[in-house]
Amino acid sequence: AQSVSQHNHHVILSEAASLELGCNYSYGGTVNLFWYVQYPGQHLQLLLKYFSGDPLVKGIKGFEAEFIKSKFSFNLRKPSVQWSDTAEYFCAVTAGTGFQKLVFGTGTRLLVSP
Amino acid sequence: EAQVTQNPRYLITVTGKKLTVTCSQNMNHEYMSWYRQDPGLGLRQIYYSMNVEVTDKGDVPEGYKVSRKEKRNFPLILESPSPNQTSLYFCASSEGTADTDTQYFGPGTRLTVL
Repeated sequence: AQSVSQHNHHVILSEAASLELGCNYSYGGTVNLFWYVQYPGQHLQLLLKYFSGDPLVKGIKGFEAEFIKSKFSFNLRKPSVQWSDTAEYFCAVTAGTGFQKLVFGTGTRLLVSP
Repeated sequence: EAQVTQNPRYLITVTGKKLTVTCSQNMNHEYMSWYRQDPGLGLRQIYYSMNVEVTDKGDVPEGYKVSRKEKRNFPLILESPSPNQTSLYFCASSEGTADTDTQYFGPGTRLTVL
């Protein structure tokens, strides 16, 4: 069965710092990868997704992620974070089933101090 | 406005008292799903539905029931809640059942079982 690992459970940054959150998945076949964000007290929203084409994917709010197949990774990046980026970030994957079956990582809590 | 709604948003109950959490979407989506979110475990799928009258177990279905009698509604039923079902519950829907489709999440229901 596929699984998703997010190694950073808590990240604390100052405003304007660069962000990279790690995501690794375990599945040898074709995968579709997602990053969701959950702002405090809110529901999950899609940041970006990858299922084919350019491995560098741009999402909303200045986020991007790079799919590196050889490393089974889909790391999330942002060059300069803002206080409003404080949230929990979830990496998720659908793989091999041909239909919707999102498997989530455990999440990374990001705190951005002003 | 396109959205997924859940009711109630907060619920405190006692062990063994049957409860239902409603979920409704106004986007005519085929696929609907329930997740529970627990600290350190991320989101785990409870049940999902590919269409009306088509439901199946996710990863953690024990203690839960669902039904899909109408396309827009997908209630989650706890026949005899127990304290280990204290959690944050999210309903989600997507237009189709393809593994590249984006899931849209409801605002969450925080359940406490005493």
